[in-house]
Amino acid sequence: DQQVKQNSPSLSVQEGRISILNCDYTNSMFDYFLWYKKYPAEGPTFLISISSIKDKNEDGRFTVFLNKSAKHLSLHIVPSQPGDSAVYFCAATAGGGNKLTFGTGTQLKVEL
Amino acid sequence: KAGVTQTPRYLIKTRGQQVTLSCSPISGHRSVSWYQQTPGQGLQFLFEYFSETQRNKGNFPGRFSGRQFSNSRSEMNVSTLELGDSALYLCASSVTSPSTDTQYFGPGTRLTVL
Repeated sequence: DQQVKQNSPSLSVQEGRISILNCDYTNSMFDYFLWYKKYPAEGPTFLISISSIKDKNEDGRFTVFLNKSAKHLSLHIVPSQPGDSAVYFCAATAGGGNKLTFGTGTQLKVEL
Repeated sequence: KAGVTQTPRYLIKTRGQQVTLSCSPISGHRSVSWYQQTPGQGLQFLFEYFSETQRNKGNFPGRFSGRQFSNSRSEMNVSTLELGDSALYLCASSVTSPSTDTQYFGPGTRLTVL
């Protein structure tokens, strides 16, 4: 049972435009959500997170939106840069669970 | 500060063999988690350790086991390897818990089972 879903395996965006990566979850106990970025041959690196008490968190070019009623979160990257080309994973955790549940990832390609 | 290190980086084994992977967390981090990454499956949680105790375990068969030492270093073991065990195995560490602290990943160990 995939509790965190990223339904788009890939996304292609032109440099300078907005990239929107989506993530859905089914477990209503999740209260903290994270996005990780992964380059080939490297481990994932933490990008941005959001608590369930918020609906938006911004860090430079990256903004995460959370819609609890729809059990949906999205990551916006503006403006997109070629260096943003990577696999993006969303993850979720429930308080005290001591584990992260990851989605299957979305391969973002930012083209010149 | 040194990051999370994993050894070996690459490993080739044959079916039926066993394998042990090692992970050294960031200094001061006491929580270590292990994940399996395969194409199309994302990162699947294997287990999490804190102070030498397994606090959580994912839905993997008993062939997958792990342990943590008093210095927080961790090992995972896979016995009776199957072809489907071919994957990237990632280790991650956090100060006390992946639910409350940022989790930092190592580069992974690429296991190929022939």
